[in-house]
Amino acid sequence: DAGITQSPRHKVTETGTPVTLRCHQTENHRYMYWYRQDPGHGLRLIHYSYGVKDTDKGEVSDGYSVSRSKTEDFLLTLESATSSQTSVYFCAIKGAGQDITEAFFGQGTRLTVV
Amino acid sequence: GENVEQHPSTLSVQEGDSAVIKCTYSDSASNYFPWYKQELGKRPQLIIDIRSNVGEKKDQRIAVTLNKTAKHFSLHITETQPEDSAVYFCAASEGNYGQNFVFGPGTRLSVLP
Repeated sequence: DAGITQSPRHKVTETGTPVTLRCHQTENHRYMYWYRQDPGHGLRLIHYSYGVKDTDKGEVSDGYSVSRSKTEDFLLTLESATSSQTSVYFCAIKGAGQDITEAFFGQGTRLTVV
Repeated sequence: GENVEQHPSTLSVQEGDSAVIKCTYSDSASNYFPWYKQELGKRPQLIIDIRSNVGEKKDQRIAVTLNKTAKHFSLHITETQPEDSAVYFCAASEGNYGQNFVFGPGTRLSVLP
C-alpha cells in the first residue's frame, strides 16, 4: 500500500465545534486531495493541493478549509461542523509526471456530527 | 466541469456470469479513465485504467473499453467470483494537467453463489 495515513480514523463531534482531519504521506507525491463519500454520490472532491501552500477548491468546498505547510501533510478543517458534514472522508495522493497516474487513497475517516 | 454518470447503481449476477458497468463523461478533454474497487469498510483501490489513445485494455478477468466519440467507457468482469462483490467507481480526469478525477456515483456489485 502507498504510504498514506489518515488521522483520526473515527470522530464524533458536536455541531458548531471545529474539527481538523490530518493526511500524512511518505511518498513525496505532489498532489494531495480530500474527498467525502456519501451514499449515492460517490467520491466528491472537497479541496486539493498541488504543492506546499498551493491549494484549490473542489466541487463541495463550502464549509471546509485546507492547509499544506509541508509536502507530507494535508489538513482538512471544518471551522464549525454541521450535521450535513457527517460523512466518510478520504485523503488521496497522486504523483506528477508526463503521464497521468492513479491516485492512492488513505483508509478513510468516519466523521459524525451530532 | 466534467460530469460522470454511471449505470447501473446496483447489479446482481450469478457466480461465473459476466458483469458490465457503464459510464459516460461530458468533457472531451478528459484523457485518463481509472476504475476503482471498494470493498466494504475499505479504501478505494485501482483495478484497471485506460488512456484515451487506447480503445481496450485487459487484465485477466477484467477489461475496460473506451469509446471517445460517444464519450463512454465500460468495465467488463468475466467469470465473476464472490470476492468480486464490492462497489465499483469509474472516474475521468479533468484539469489542465488531468490532475483531478471526477468520480461516478458507484455501482454495487453482488455476486451470488
